Amino acid sequence: NAGVTQTPKFQVLKTGQSMTLQCAQDMNHNSMYWYRQDPGMGLRLIYYSASEGTTDKGEVPNGYNVSRLNKREFSLRLESAAPSQTSVYFCASSLRLPTNEAFFGQGTRLTVV
Amino acid sequence: GEDVEQSLFLSVREGDSSVINCTYTDSSSTYLYWYKQEPGAGLQLLTYIFSNMDMKQDQRLTVLLNKKDKHLSLRIADTQTGDSAIYFCAETPGTALIFGKGTTLSVSS
Repeated sequence: NAGVTQTPKFQVLKTGQSMTLQCAQDMNHNSMYWYRQDPGMGLRLIYYSASEGTTDKGEVPNGYNVSRLNKREFSLRLESAAPSQTSVYFCASSLRLPTNEAFFGQGTRLTVV
Repeated sequence: GEDVEQSLFLSVREGDSSVINCTYTDSSSTYLYWYKQEPGAGLQLLTYIFSNMDMKQDQRLTVLLNKKDKHLSLRIADTQTGDSAIYFCAETPGTALIFGKGTTLSVSS
């Protein structure tokens, strides 16, 4: 029962480096989401994909790009990492919001130095 | 824009009831959710309420919804140390969940 799988779990980047956070779900869900969690800020939506082939900006999209590679996979790319992007990143999926529960991955803890 | 407000901290003794409050802004949200996050883990759905309901009870959990005031509360009866976690209220104005900042519940024995 994998659910939502995120890789890597931890990552340290230097300012200006790029990287891609991977997310895959095995529940045949239509919608996928990327959030970031910062102390005292709760979870903020970066991007989401309501269905395969579509992506939309959330509250804090600047500095990020996403790709909905297929129905299972939704990746988040940092082209030029900045210290302000130090955060814990969560991927989530849902059959369809608002009527269905969203399932979350375990998170990726990213530090940009 | 959407904004979900919660108090940041709540401290209770084991066996007491805990009440976590939330205010939301989007009256079009058809479902309102409570998620729980334990240390080092992702979020898990705790319970939810449909917008045409006033109350929902699920074992030790009671959710109250006041649509007029856009106020949502989560009551945990007989709070246990295992209930220590961060609790997030979330609204669904469209096809994404919008979360509050989370309430850290600390339960002392």
